[in-house]
Order: sequence, then structure tokens, then C-alpha cells
Amino acid sequence: NAGVTQTPKFRILKIGQSMTLQCTQDMNHNYMYWYRQDPGMGLKLIYYSVGAGITDKGEVPNGYNVSRSTTEDFPLRLELAAPSQTSVYFCASSWDSRTEAFFGQGTRLTVV
Amino acid sequence: RKEVEQDPGPFNVPEGATVAFNCTYSNSASQSFFWYRQDCRKEPKLLMSVYSSGNEDGRFTAQLNRASQYISLLIRDSKLSDSATYLCVARNKLIFGAGTRLAVHP
Repeated sequence: NAGVTQTPKFRILKIGQSMTLQCTQDMNHNYMYWYRQDPGMGLKLIYYSVGAGITDKGEVPNGYNVSRSTTEDFPLRLELAAPSQTSVYFCASSWDSRTEAFFGQGTRLTVV
Repeated sequence: RKEVEQDPGPFNVPEGATVAFNCTYSNSASQSFFWYRQDCRKEPKLLMSVYSSGNEDGRFTAQLNRASQYISLLIRDSKLSDSATYLCVARNKLIFGAGTRLAVHP
């Protein structure tokens, strides 16, 4: 049972480039989340989804887009990368709004 | 006001010490509460859920006070391996506190 899988693990982007961070889960969870964590700081919620076809903004959505076409996948899109988006990105999933969440291992993104 | 606020760290304690972390939440509709542990450069992992009646897991005790809207984590007999950042969560959206760093030294 793989749980939550994120790819890639590391990436360096140039300013203005675009990329998609992939997240997939095999636990049939309804809820999925994207976070960013800057060095020495806490987790900030970017976007979340309560089911396929439904997404909503979190605390820091600017500069990102998401889609949820299937239960398993919740990709995060950066359209015009900026140095301020240098961070570690975590994807998580949970069964519903009350249960524990499980995290992927993270994607370390550097924008130069 | 932030949805979830935690004690500022870091906490530096000797092995064997008892240490307590507090966390306050602003959304009274929050329905469930958790403590997560995050090791350096790793993903957060669930430490324990927090139940209304309080709950214990070995050296760890979690408590919830709904009236005052705070949750707490008590670690007894600290070990070097307890050194990590501890994050509280008040469940509505999955909003985390900023985390409290614990360093246990010999």
C-alpha cells in the first residue's frame, strides 16, 4: 500500500517557467490537500478538494492552480514560477473532514 | 487571529524532563483535533488524536478543553528521539499550527 505518492521529489525551475507537481493516493480518500512549507515555518494550506470535481482555496492560493478529475489524483500547477514559490510542497489525503490525514514525502522546489 | 496558534519554541529540555505544549484554536465548529510530529525535512506524521475525555499513549498525554478552545500535549520522560517539531491541528479544513520545536539534550 503506497499511501500518498508525490513526484518529483526535487526540482529546480527558472523564473517564469511552469510545472505540475503530481500527487496520487491509493487509499480511496475523498479529501486531498496541498501545502507549502518554507524553511523554519509551519504548513500553509494552498488548495484542498473534498472529492472529484470539487476544489477550494486554502490560506495561500495565489500563483497556483489545482484540478481533481479523479479520486486518486490531485495535481498542483505553477504557471509562472517566482522565487517566492521556493518551498517544500506536501500533498495529503484523508477519508473525510474529521479523520487523520496522511502525507506524501514532499517535493522540494527551488525557483532561480 | 490565526485559526490555530501554538506556543512559540524552541523548547530545550534535558532527557527525562516533562514538557507541555499548548495550542489554541479559533473556530468553535472544529470537530476533531490531532497532534502531528515532523522530523527535520520530513513529512508530518500523526502522533495522536485528541479526544474530549483526554487520552494517553505511553509517555504522551493529549487533552482538549472545548470551553477554552485549546488542546495540549504532555510528554513525560523525554527521550533524545523526541526531538522534533510538534504540530497541532484543529479539524475543519486541515489547518495546522506553526509548530513547536522540541530539542531534548543529554
